[in-house]
Amino acid sequence: EAQVTQNPRYLITVTGKKLTVTCSQNMNHEYMSWYRQDPGLGLRQIYYSMNVEVTDKGDVPEGYKVSRKEKRNFPLILESPSPNQTSLYFCASWSDWDRGHNEQFFGPGTRLTVL
Amino acid sequence: GDSVTQMEGPVTLSEEAFLTINCTYTATGYPSLFWYVQYPGEGLQLLLKATKADDKGSNKGFEATYRKETTSFHLEKGSVQVSDSAVYFCALKGGNFNKFYFGSGTKLNVKP
Repeated sequence: EAQVTQNPRYLITVTGKKLTVTCSQNMNHEYMSWYRQDPGLGLRQIYYSMNVEVTDKGDVPEGYKVSRKEKRNFPLILESPSPNQTSLYFCASWSDWDRGHNEQFFGPGTRLTVL
Repeated sequence: GDSVTQMEGPVTLSEEAFLTINCTYTATGYPSLFWYVQYPGEGLQLLLKATKADDKGSNKGFEATYRKETTSFHLEKGSVQVSDSAVYFCALKGGNFNKFYFGSGTKLNVKP
């Protein structure tokens, strides 16, 4: 089954304790992205990746890091989480064939609470 | 830059009512347009899409027509069901393959 998986689904942590949220896709997609969803703000892009070892900032990258060492995986790293990073996080992937008209596929989301 | 604006919710309707959720966009070139749906506790799922002007995307009774002259992609359904209760997001992908632009989402509540 084609899918994007994220782990963990729920996480409660404390300020300053480094954490990683994993994301994996099995569709051989070139592009992957992380979003955060906050009430009234919709989805805002944190980082994206165009392929292995190629990443760039989205609209709200502060306080986050990413890496893309393998095509299928795109972990999101919070080196020193703060309460304002409490949010719902989504990973997504897509390909660039069909002249770029392809939709994104989303993971189930990770609910993060930083105390 | 590219952007998407959609009507604020929540929208509350009775079962079998007609639904319209407005979406307008700003983009250079010829973007692709999408509607995604998010059911409670789940990720976003593609509902429908349109890739060029005058295309109509449709799925599960929902429709949206890509109107370049009015830069709009309004979502419609003739008769909503309780199971349609969800958050609906309008999205755009332009010439830059790297980015999707999402509206803020519209929550739909359908009452029996």
